[in-house]
Amino acid sequence: GDSVTQMEGPVTLSEEAFLTINCTYTATGYPSLFWYVQYPGEGLQLLLKATKADDKGSNKGFEATYRKETTSFHLEKGSVQVSDSAVYFCALSGPSSGNTPLVFGKGTRLSVIA
Amino acid sequence: KAGVTQTPRYLIKTRGQQVTLSCSPISGHRSVSWYQQTPGQGLQFLFEYFSETQRNKGNFPGRFSGRQFSNSRSEMNVSTLELGDSALYLCASSLAGDIGGGKLFFGSGTQLSVL
Repeated sequence: GDSVTQMEGPVTLSEEAFLTINCTYTATGYPSLFWYVQYPGEGLQLLLKATKADDKGSNKGFEATYRKETTSFHLEKGSVQVSDSAVYFCALSGPSSGNTPLVFGKGTRLSVIA
Repeated sequence: KAGVTQTPRYLIKTRGQQVTLSCSPISGHRSVSWYQQTPGQGLQFLFEYFSETQRNKGNFPGRFSGRQFSNSRSEMNVSTLELGDSALYLCASSLAGDIGGGKLFFGSGTQLSVL
């Protein structure tokens, strides 16, 4: 079945450091790909998404590019802030219909220190 | 616009008991999905309801059940609780037919501890 693999955390960075969180997937066809973020004590929020190969999703300084050839969707940010401390989830949605539940990775906890 | 509301926020139960969790979706959203979040397994899909009908179901035992009311509010029930049921239970709502489109809106969850 479809699956998502994320790099294990926790990831600890200093403020203004460059962030990369790796995400690879296994799926039939061409899934849509997402990054969700969960801040402490809150539910998940959609951060960005890409629906086809070579699409780049971006939001709040975060970016991720849908790479079909490497089945990857790595999350990047050029300069992290303390407020970016959260758990980040990579997810995919099967291509067959919009009613297919999202499949999530296990999440990567990011801590940014001042 | 009010977000997704889950109650209670925290719950402590003992093994063998049963528990009911509640979720009120965003106004106008007719689909409600439930996820179990644990440190080891991440988020695992439980089930999804749309217009009072279960439309999708994950790989959980029959002890986990749910329902949806005509006002789209949803409840999930876990019977005969086990220690391994300790988790954060997240509810997410979405417009019809879009649970795979990434437009899920999550509540803050109910933290269930089974002693």
